[in-house]
Amino acid sequence: GQSLEQPSEVTAVEGAIVQINCTYQTSGFYGLSWYQQHDGGAPTFLSYNGLDGLEETGRFSSFLSRSDSYGYLLLQELQMKDSASYFCAVRDPAQAGNMLTFGGGTRLMVKP
Amino acid sequence: EAQVTQNPRYLITVTGKKLTVTCSQNMNHEYMSWYRQDPGLGLRQIYYSMNVEVTDKGDVPEGYKVSRKEKRNFPLILESPSPNQTSLYFCASSLKGSPTDTQYFGPGTRLTVL
Repeated sequence: GQSLEQPSEVTAVEGAIVQINCTYQTSGFYGLSWYQQHDGGAPTFLSYNGLDGLEETGRFSSFLSRSDSYGYLLLQELQMKDSASYFCAVRDPAQAGNMLTFGGGTRLMVKP
Repeated sequence: EAQVTQNPRYLITVTGKKLTVTCSQNMNHEYMSWYRQDPGLGLRQIYYSMNVEVTDKGDVPEGYKVSRKEKRNFPLILESPSPNQTSLYFCASSLKGSPTDTQYFGPGTRLTVL
């Protein structure tokens, strides 16, 4: 089966750096995506890693190690508006329709 | 503005009363899907559609139906809703459903079945 594990909750202070880890177990693997969801809002795409290594987009970076079935999202210079839930997701070619499977989400609370 | 819209945004209904949640996208995307979101479980796919008249089951299809008669619309139908279908529902679309495509989500529909 498919499973993605990520911490349920992380707390950090404004200006700090936080890392949200994701380990996955899937039949196949096309890449790891990250989505952000504010309370009451829709998930929005943050980043995608198809190959090993680090992808950087402004304050956010995402890392993938396919050999370890592991990735993380790194948020730097945390701001209050970064308080949200973050989901890792894997698209598995072994699943019909290249289905996107999501982790349970990590709730990030940024404190002043 | 490129977007995915859903209606209604909030719905309270009773067990057994058929309902439809509409979803529409204006990006000419081929791939559309429905997810339900429950606390601690993340988003789970209910049904997806690769194109017009092509639909298939996702992870949790029981109790749901969909149709894709036009490219832009992908309604979710609950023929006989039950309380365990109380959830937050999201419609999403992407260009072709390929691995590198970004999924765009609608604003969500919060459904309560009494």
